[in-house]
Amino acid sequence: DGGITQSPKYLFRKEGQNVTLSCEQNLNHDAMYWYRQDPGQGLRLIYYSQIVNDFQKGDIAEGYSVSREKKESFPLTVTSAQKNPTAFYLCASTQRRSSYNEQFFGPGTRLTVL
Amino acid sequence: SQQGEEDPQALSIQEGENATMNCSYKTSINNLQWYRQNSGRGLVHLILIRSNEREKHSGRLRVTLDTSKKSSSLLITASRAADTASYFCATAPSGNQFYFGTGTSLTVIP
Repeated sequence: DGGITQSPKYLFRKEGQNVTLSCEQNLNHDAMYWYRQDPGQGLRLIYYSQIVNDFQKGDIAEGYSVSREKKESFPLTVTSAQKNPTAFYLCASTQRRSSYNEQFFGPGTRLTVL
Repeated sequence: SQQGEEDPQALSIQEGENATMNCSYKTSINNLQWYRQNSGRGLVHLILIRSNEREKHSGRLRVTLDTSKKSSSLLITASRAADTASYFCATAPSGNQFYFGTGTSLTVIP
């Protein structure tokens, strides 16, 4: 089945630790996105990538880093510099580098800082 | 922020009734999309309406777009308990960056 997978589903982190969230897609999509969702605030864009080895910052990139070494993979690292990382993280992809295409979303990773 | 806003924030209706939710946005757009999110899950695309379209239908969904007012509405007819979810509008002013609204939480009571 084609789709987007995210792992883990739940992640617990101690303060001061870096953690990496996985996002993989087998849809052969060019563009991939990371969003953060907090209660009552909708989705906010962290980073997006339109092509391998290239990515752009979204509205809330501070404290996060990404890489795009392969078309199908777009991991997100939450660094210790992110002051309030507890949130629900969603990965998405689109077929072409165009805003006319729908975004396909993964099931999300819920990150909790202990 | 270019984030849109949905109205109302929460909506509770009886099964069989129609549900209407609205979206307002701030900048000119290429298209507007509506998504659905069940609790704790990823979003699912429902419908896309282009900036040169005024109305679009898909099954029990009807979307309208008024670019002069920078607003859109989503109508779900003959609602079912399974329609209970949060609904988000998303705009793409240019390029490939999407902006999502704050969402409307819909509860359909059986």
